[in-house]
Order: sequence, then structure tokens, then C-alpha cells
Amino acid sequence: DAMVIQNPRYQVTQFGKPVTLSCSQTLNHNVMYWYQQKSSQAPKLLFHYYDKDFNNEADTPDNFQSRRPNTSFCFLDIRSPGLGDAAMYLCATSSGDPEETQYFGPGTRLLVL
Amino acid sequence: QKEVEQDPGPLSVPEGAIVSLNCTYSNSAFQYFMWYRQYSRKGPELLMYTYSSGNKEDGRFTAQVDKSSKYISLFIRDSQPSDSATYLCAMSPYGNNRLAFGKGNQVVVIP
Repeated sequence: DAMVIQNPRYQVTQFGKPVTLSCSQTLNHNVMYWYQQKSSQAPKLLFHYYDKDFNNEADTPDNFQSRRPNTSFCFLDIRSPGLGDAAMYLCATSSGDPEETQYFGPGTRLLVL
Repeated sequence: QKEVEQDPGPLSVPEGAIVSLNCTYSNSAFQYFMWYRQYSRKGPELLMYTYSSGNKEDGRFTAQVDKSSKYISLFIRDSQPSDSATYLCAMSPYGNNRLAFGKGNQVVVIP
């Protein structure tokens, strides 16, 4: 089935140790999003790619970076994770058509020790 | 003031009851309104998608949008234990891109 896949589902890292989260999609969608969702909080958009065009949200910390090497894959890099970065990270895709839905992956839960 | 306000609940109802959820918002540019359902440890999935004011019905689910009051609602009729999840409202001025989400309402339907 076409879907959005996130790896790993759970990630434990140490304070300050760089970590990379992965998202892949089989939907051939133009747009890929990364959201951060903390417990009992709304998902917060970090950035998105429209094809190769990177769009950063104004309040996304510099500690968060992203790469999209091809249509199918998108990575979230956290350069120096702090305790406050522990959260669920959600990847989503859409075709770019405003009438079409965003499809979400299952998320990666990040724990920072 | 946050762009989207949603009382996080939790909300417990007996099976068969009507569940009523709502969100308020401050940005009058929002035109597209969505409700997502999120089961524990899963990503959100789209339930309802409406444009501008009005009602939309899909099976046991009804979404209402009142742009004059900046208020949207989701009703679940004949609630089932499988409806137990967190329900997130989301909205955007530009369709399904750059969504502003509410915090989510945790709903528990008790058999």
C-alpha cells in the first residue's frame, strides 16, 4: 500500500548528540512536511519542502535542519538535541493540491537523556 | 492569543452517546477546516475536510463551520469504543498546506 514510513519509531539519544530521523513516501507527493508534537500539544510545523524548495518556519530553531535528497526521502537532523527537543516528530506529505489531504506517517518518538 | 484554541479535555462518554468537539480561531483568513483523528502512538488521519462555512456529513460524523463566530465543531453520533482517540482540528487560509492545529481533544468511549 502507498504510505508514509518513518524510521525509527523510537529513538533515544544523549543530550548534545546529533540525531537523524528518516521519512520516506511511496505516494510520489511533491510536498513533505516535518512537525514536532509534544505531549498534549498541537503539532507544530517545523519546515516543509515543495519539491526541492525548502521552506523554514520563522520560529524553527537553527538546531533543526532538513534534507530532501530525492522525491521519496526526507530527513530531519537535530544537531545538538536538548531535553526540550524530546517529542513525537511527524512527517507528512501532500500532492500540493489544496483540495488534497496531508498524509501523516506514524511518527518517531524521540527521547533525550 | 493562540491562532487555534481547542480545549484538550479529556472527554469520557458512554457508548452510543453523541460526542461534541469544538475549536475557536482568531485568524479570519482561514478558509479550509479539517478534523484529524489520532490514535495512540499513530500519526493523525484526516476525518473531515470543509471549505468555508456550512455543514458536512460523513456517516456518523458531522462537521460544522461558522466563520462569523470563528467556531468549528465536530459531532460523532452513536459513538463506539473504536472512536476513542485524540481529535485535532486544523485550519489554513490556503487549503491543505501550512496547517494550524489545535491541541487535540482526547475522547474515551466507554463500552
